[in-house]
Amino acid sequence: TQLLEQSPQFLSIQEGENLTVYCNSSSVFSSLQWYRQEPGEGPVLLVTVVTGGEVKKLKRLTFQFGDARKDSSLHITAAQPGDTGLYLCAGKFRHNAGNMLTFGGGTRLMVKP
Amino acid sequence: ETGVTQTPRHLVMGMTNKKSLKCEQHLGHNAMYWYKQSAKKPLELMFVYSLEERVENNSVPSRFSPECPNSSHLFLHLHTLQPEDSALYLCASSQGINTGELFFGEGSRLTVL
Repeated sequence: TQLLEQSPQFLSIQEGENLTVYCNSSSVFSSLQWYRQEPGEGPVLLVTVVTGGEVKKLKRLTFQFGDARKDSSLHITAAQPGDTGLYLCAGKFRHNAGNMLTFGGGTRLMVKP
Repeated sequence: ETGVTQTPRHLVMGMTNKKSLKCEQHLGHNAMYWYKQSAKKPLELMFVYSLEERVENNSVPSRFSPECPNSSHLFLHLHTLQPEDSALYLCASSQGINTGELFFGEGSRLTVL
């Protein structure tokens, strides 16, 4: 079984703080995605990373793909209450014949005003 | 019309009931998915349809029966469910099953009494 582990599972911070969440696997990803799911909604894609070492920025969010393509991080600068939600990483594994996405358990973030 | 629409948003049913969840996508995609989201567990892929043919069934119990009459509609028929089947059921669509982004609906929150 190919698993994605996300950490931390829960994070509660004050508005304006910075944070980093992580997504790790023992297997190599062919690609990895980050989704955000707000309460009462379905997940929405934030970014896709494909190349080892790749860094992508989306406003205050910075996504990094590990050099070995086994891990990824999401860094949020100056968090705002609107960033509250469940952050999910989802990867396609290089040796997965079905090529389906496998989701991590998520990091539930709460940003207090 | 929003991209992926799910009905009903909330459903409460007894273990002997028969009910159905409906999903409709207005994005012109050719692949549709059912996912199960339970508390404290990662998103679980249940069924995948590509061009109206089932291509993936992740060992889902037969009390869940999918139906894909055309590329825009997907149903999940529910029969003699168990309380542990209570969860958020998410429908998603994509253009091709090997491409990147999944577009999710808002989910149907199912409670089995």
